[in-house]
Amino acid sequence: DAKTTQPPSMDCAEGRAANLPCNHSTISGNEYVYWYRQIHSQGPQYIIHGLKNNETNEMASLIITEDRKSSTLILPHATLRDTAVYYCIVRVHYGGSQGNLIFGKGTKLSVKP
Amino acid sequence: GAGVSQSPSNKVTEKGKDVELRCDPISGHTALYWYRQSLGQGLEFLIYFQGNSAPDKSGLPSDRFSAERTGGSVSTLTIQRTQQEDSAVYLCASSPRTGDSPLHFGNGTRLTVT
Repeated sequence: DAKTTQPPSMDCAEGRAANLPCNHSTISGNEYVYWYRQIHSQGPQYIIHGLKNNETNEMASLIITEDRKSSTLILPHATLRDTAVYYCIVRVHYGGSQGNLIFGKGTKLSVKP
Repeated sequence: GAGVSQSPSNKVTEKGKDVELRCDPISGHTALYWYRQSLGQGLEFLIYFQGNSAPDKSGLPSDRFSAERTGGSVSTLTIQRTQQEDSAVYLCASSPRTGDSPLHFGNGTRLTVT
């Protein structure tokens, strides 16, 4: 079973920031938080990952709480092309399942004009 | 550069027939994964290959499912005696190595069993 909890759906106005929450209260010390998204009829696309520090790349920012029990993915200026299902995943990097990703149901983000 | 390539993109088969799905990973990627996604559902792990190690087959739903990876590159997922519940999108992913590398996914093969 997935170890994360996400709201099933969210709306966001085009041009505004989209903040997608994720709860992972049972996360272990050696598990990273990963975010992927899946646009209709395509395979999942990697967005960002982190362990405990906040991370930023050209696509998004990842904010992880100090206790690591939750995180937020931020798309700073959402566009219509960001409409997708967003998956939050916890993943151990070494050992165990050798880095397998366990997907939950994700959050369906709808960006509206 | 070229991403993960899967073929065919769509496959319709009759119940009871065997099917083969192909995955060409990104060149140089040593780890390869197969997932499937049923309509409106999340991704379900099937099998994982890493280099020359024995594959992790823990996600295969029945002995009708098998996969191989030849020469550490191309992989084939075979489903024997297909059933209607096998209808799904079958996704392949690869990564440079196991562990801390993000997975790169193909766009999948949509399998329909009639």
